[in-house]
Amino acid sequence: QVQLVQSGAEVKKPGASVKVSCRASGYSFITHGLSWVRQAPGQGLEWMGWISAYNGDTNYAQNFQGRVTMTTDTSTRTAYMELRSLRFDDTAVYYCARDGEVAGLFDYWGQGTLVTVAS
Amino acid sequence: SYVLTQPPSVSVAPGKTAKITCGGNNIGDKSVHWYQQKPGQAPVVVVYGDSDRPSGIPERFSGSNSGNTATLTISRVEAGDEADYYCQVWDSGSDLHVFGAGTKVTVL
Repeated sequence: QVQLVQSGAEVKKPGASVKVSCRASGYSFITHGLSWVRQAPGQGLEWMGWISAYNGDTNYAQNFQGRVTMTTDTSTRTAYMELRSLRFDDTAVYYCARDGEVAGLFDYWGQGTLVTVAS
Repeated sequence: SYVLTQPPSVSVAPGKTAKITCGGNNIGDKSVHWYQQKPGQAPVVVVYGDSDRPSGIPERFSGSNSGNTATLTISRVEAGDEADYYCQVWDSGSDLHVFGAGTKVTVL
């Protein structure tokens, strides 16, 4: 079955960087793109960007352009999301989500990774 | 940028029907997906492509989409349906994904 397993919780200081991983299994990795979605405490879902697992093309939401980098490693079937220059309001749960067969659908989600930015 | 508008909360008695709306400019021209999120858990698709259900999702969950409003309907509501529900579309014009702010469904 399809599974997306993310790395564990992180605590970072303001100004630092964090890199979250998302390891895929149960399907052909390169056939589905992956998005990253975050959720601040008590808030809604915010789409951060997308990466093609086939060729590494990316599409970042404007709010994160210049601060985020999404990559994949096809040899380990893992996607990565690095966020730089962390601020207190970057504290959130970060999810990876797989593209579904229908346009725009996120059919499988990782379990989420809590990133806490604290001094 | 494209905006989706949801009511913050909906309350419903067990056994009754809950309707959650998602408003957007000509949203009827887009494919709308609905996610259920329970506390501490990742979102789960309950309706995709306006009105299709993934396997394992009860028939009590249905969707529609026309004009400027998409609607998620939960029939015969159960206590286990209490959760946050988010609508989402992919805006092809801007190539961006957009979520509604979410609706908290409370079962009375």
